[in-house]
This record gives sequence, C-alpha cells and structure tokens, in this order.
Amino acid sequence: EPEVTQTPSHQVTQMGQEVILRCVPISNHLYFYWYRQILGQKVEFLVSFYNNEISEKSEIFDDQFSVERPDGSNFTLKIRSTKLEDSAMYFCASSGRQLNTEAFFGQGTRLTVV
Amino acid sequence: EDKVVQSPLSLVVHEGDTVTLNCSYEVTNFRSLLWYKQEKKAPTFLFMLTSSGIEKKSGRLSSILDKKELFSILNITATQTGDSAVYLCAVVLEYGNKLVFGAGTILRVKS
Repeated sequence: EPEVTQTPSHQVTQMGQEVILRCVPISNHLYFYWYRQILGQKVEFLVSFYNNEISEKSEIFDDQFSVERPDGSNFTLKIRSTKLEDSAMYFCASSGRQLNTEAFFGQGTRLTVV
Repeated sequence: EDKVVQSPLSLVVHEGDTVTLNCSYEVTNFRSLLWYKQEKKAPTFLFMLTSSGIEKKSGRLSSILDKKELFSILNITATQTGDSAVYLCAVVLEYGNKLVFGAGTILRVKS
C-alpha cells in the first residue's frame, strides 16, 4: 500500500543550527503539507504546497521556515536557525485532491533542539 | 478563530465496553470533518463526514455528523486493547488547504 515516508525518524540538533526534514509523498498525489505537534499539544498546520509553490501557510511558518520540492519525489522542510521551541514531531502529509480530503500522514520526524 | 474541541480528554475503559467520543467545532466555511487514529506516531485516516445525519461505519467503529449543532461523534463498540490510541478530530475548511485539529481524546482499553 502506498505510504508517505519521512526521514530521519529522530533528529537532535543544537540551537541555531539548520535542519532539513525530508518527505517522500505518495507518488500520484498533488498536494503536500507539513504539520507539527509539540509534545502534549494539538497537531498544527504549517504549510501547504501545490504546483511547486506554497498555497497556504500559518503564522508559525515564519521566515525561518522554507519548503522545497527539489525533484519529482522529495518534499523538504528547512528550518534555518532552530530554536528550542521548534522541538516537536513534524508530520508530512499528502493528498491527491485539494482541501485535505483523505490526507495521508507520514510517520513523523521527532526534532529535538538542545 | 477556528476552533475544534474534543471531549473527553482521556478515557479508560475495559475490553468489551462501548465508547463515544465527541467533537464540536466553530469554524468559518465548514467543508468536512475527519477522524484520525493516532497510535505511536502518524495519524491514520478513519472517516470523512460531509453531510449531516449519514452514519459512516467501519467494523466496530461508526461516526455521524450534525451540521446544525456543529458536532460529530465517534462510536467504538466491543472495544479491544488494540483500540487504545489518541483519536483526533479535524475540520476541513471550505477555502484553503489545511486541517484544523482538536486536541484529541486519549483512549485506553484495559484487558
């Protein structure tokens, strides 16, 4: 069964360092998303991406964040200068149709900023 | 501000019990409501509800939406230990490309 895959599963980084979280969405999907979940809190929307550009982003997604689809399969989230409060589980999701109908989530990357 | 509220926050039941999880919402431009089950990591899709009063069913799980009263319930009958998870409710807005999640209900089923 097709699935969204994310790497790495866990990343520890020092404050101020750049991190890149990687995702391979389901191959025939057109819409890609990043969400995050701080421990004990809600899943929060970060950004959606379609046709090689950002279609919507939340207030969380400030200038420190960027997304890219560098080739036909990968979808990445970059955090330029990590802060302690960026520590969270980051989920990538994809859907074949718009408006998040039946969005499928990856297993997540746990980011720990120390 | 768009808001999704789930209750209870957590629940402990014994195997064989029936549980009802609640999700209420206050959003602009509602399109649909999704239920997800989150075990160790990724939320896995359970149901999508768009119309009021039509029950969606999958095995021991069922769900229904009330668009007038702005809530949905998820029922699990004859619970098993494998049902232990966090159950997430999320609303899809008519315009835009995001899910608005509730905080989830932690369900623990004891054997």
